[in-house]
Amino acid sequence: KAGVTQTPRYLIKTRGQQVTLSCSPISGHRSVSWYQQTPGQGLQFLFEYFSETQRNKGNFPGRFSGRQFSNSRSEMNVSTLELGDSALYLCASSPRQRGGDTQYFGPGTRLTVL
Amino acid sequence: GQQVMQIPQYQHVQEGEDFTTYCNSSTTLSNIQWYKQRPGGHPVFLIQLVKSGEVKKQKRLTFQFGEAKKNSSLHITATQTTDVGTYFCAGMNAGGTSYGKLTFGQGTILTVHP
Repeated sequence: KAGVTQTPRYLIKTRGQQVTLSCSPISGHRSVSWYQQTPGQGLQFLFEYFSETQRNKGNFPGRFSGRQFSNSRSEMNVSTLELGDSALYLCASSPRQRGGDTQYFGPGTRLTVL
Repeated sequence: GQQVMQIPQYQHVQEGEDFTTYCNSSTTLSNIQWYKQRPGGHPVFLIQLVKSGEVKKQKRLTFQFGEAKKNSSLHITATQTTDVGTYFCAGMNAGGTSYGKLTFGQGTILTVHP
């Protein structure tokens, strides 16, 4: 099976702009989670989607939002970008079956906010 | 909310020495997962522990889950240069509305000197 894919891989934006990141999970995986990774804060959970419904949400402001489509593909949107949003954004998919909560991570999108 | 603390933050070892990283959760976990992230890469799943007191081995890696299901450790015997990277533990809540939300520790960055 193909792994998790994320697009774009790199992105440069300026403060105040908005950005949309895309994630395609492993075929058959219905759960998609998003994480923000920074050197100072480590891996921070943003949200999880399962069957197009947000199941869990981390402690991020409302500028961070996401959605999942019927084919399990997911998008994450960040509005009114701030310098502190510069990070590696990782998407992970999971089969979400009993005992099968393993996260399969994509390569990430490196976002730089200038 | 749930917190997962991981120590040490950094570990420098000579090739052939052993290495251990420890993970402690503020709440009881349903399972704990371990991931490895190579420099410039994305987290890759290593193992999941589910049962109280469980011990699992993968070649030179030994994983333990505490009796109270609130702590875990990863021990590497006779480190090799291929072991370099950041090791993360990730705990999943035992239940409630946050089921499915993985909380990652800050990670331990392992450097192996040849």
